[in-house]
Amino acid sequence: GENVEQHPSTLSVQEGDSAVIKCTYSDSASNYFPWYKQELGKGPQLIIDIRSNVGEKKDQRIAVTLNKTAKHFSLHITETQPEDSAVYFCAATDSWGKLQFGAGTQVVVTP
Amino acid sequence: GAVVSQHPSRVICKSGTSVKIECRSLDFQATTMFWYRQFPKKSLMLMATSNEGSKATYEQGVEKDKFLINHASLTLSTLTVTSAHPEDSSFYICSARDWATSGPSTDTQYFGPGTRLTVL
Repeated sequence: GENVEQHPSTLSVQEGDSAVIKCTYSDSASNYFPWYKQELGKGPQLIIDIRSNVGEKKDQRIAVTLNKTAKHFSLHITETQPEDSAVYFCAATDSWGKLQFGAGTQVVVTP
Repeated sequence: GAVVSQHPSRVICKSGTSVKIECRSLDFQATTMFWYRQFPKKSLMLMATSNEGSKATYEQGVEKDKFLINHASLTLSTLTVTSAHPEDSSFYICSARDWATSGPSTDTQYFGPGTRLTVL
């Protein structure tokens, strides 16, 4: 089945700097890769997603890149702000269309 | 758009009682909803897939008689934790897929705010 690995587990950045989170997946049939942001005590919020027919997607300060050959995808947050502090999860669909999640990355943006 | 609600947000119950959690898609119809469980500082663990008008499919290791799922309409799925015990204490989160669009967009899952269950 699908296995999604996510790194790093924690990431501290200075406000204004960029943050990068990387994920790898194992199932070559995966074709949908969403990223979720989860604040403490709340449900995950979809922040950006990418499909297998696209290599890169950008939405304001957030971008995602996908390398299907290498089976890895990354989240890039530029000009980080304190409100970007949260846990970020990557995910990939398995062959049944269900999402398999990475272990999560705790991002801390210090002023 | 794509708002999912859960009720209640928090529940405390005594051991041995049953607790029902509701998951609603507020502005779209969802033929498929998912129930997840999340332990502190851990990732989301899929428990079951709920399909409108049919039986839920459970992930390996999840007791279907303990976690009853009903998806009676295109906007509502319920999870009932039967005979709850302290080890069932957790954060339960549902998600829903938008039925209206066909093709790639049906992959997108929108999550509810979660329900914190504490069993004493």
